[in-house]
Amino acid sequence: QIQLVQSGPELKKPGESVKISCKTSGYAFTDYTIHWVKQDPGKGLKGMGWINTHTGKPKYADDSKGRFVLSLEASAGTANLQISDLKNEDTANIFCVRSGHSDYFDHWGQGVMVTVSS
Amino acid sequence: DTVLTQSPGLAVSPGERVTISCEASESVNTRMHWYQQKPGQQPKLLIYKASNLPSGVPARFSGSGSGTDFTLTIDPVEADDTATYFCQQSWNGPITFGSGTKLEIK
Repeated sequence: QIQLVQSGPELKKPGESVKISCKTSGYAFTDYTIHWVKQDPGKGLKGMGWINTHTGKPKYADDSKGRFVLSLEASAGTANLQISDLKNEDTANIFCVRSGHSDYFDHWGQGVMVTVSS
Repeated sequence: DTVLTQSPGLAVSPGERVTISCEASESVNTRMHWYQQKPGQQPKLLIYKASNLPSGVPARFSGSGSGTDFTLTIDPVEADDTATYFCQQSWNGPITFGSGTKLEIK
């Protein structure tokens, strides 16, 4: 079956970096886009950006530019999100999600809780 | 960015019919999708492109609307439907989500 399995929770200090992985299986990796969605504790959902798994080209949300890098290990069916210079406000649950042509999210990773605290 | 405004939280009894609304600040055609999120879980796709039911989602869930006004209907509601429901648009610019409607089953 289709699965998106994310790496484990992260506890970081301000100024550090974190890399989150999203390992997919059960479908042709390059046929679907991978989006990243953030959920602040107890709050709503916000798109962080997405990556074209066919070309490797990323697109970042306006407030994700500069410190965020999306990448692929296409041969392993894996997408990665790296966030540098972490700030307290980066504390959130971060999901990777699969989308097709119409950009709705039919499969979600389990989420990774990133906690930034001194 | 397109702002999505959802109806506030509500409480209903099992067996009732419930409607949850989502209003877009500009037309999103029919590119509106709905998700259900239970505490501690990832969201789950309920409706895509305004009115389409994914495989495995019970027929108690339905969606309608186009342009700027959309509705998610659950009929009849069951105890297990306690969750927060989010709308999401994918027609304009960056994808955006509504703030969520928390549904409580009495």
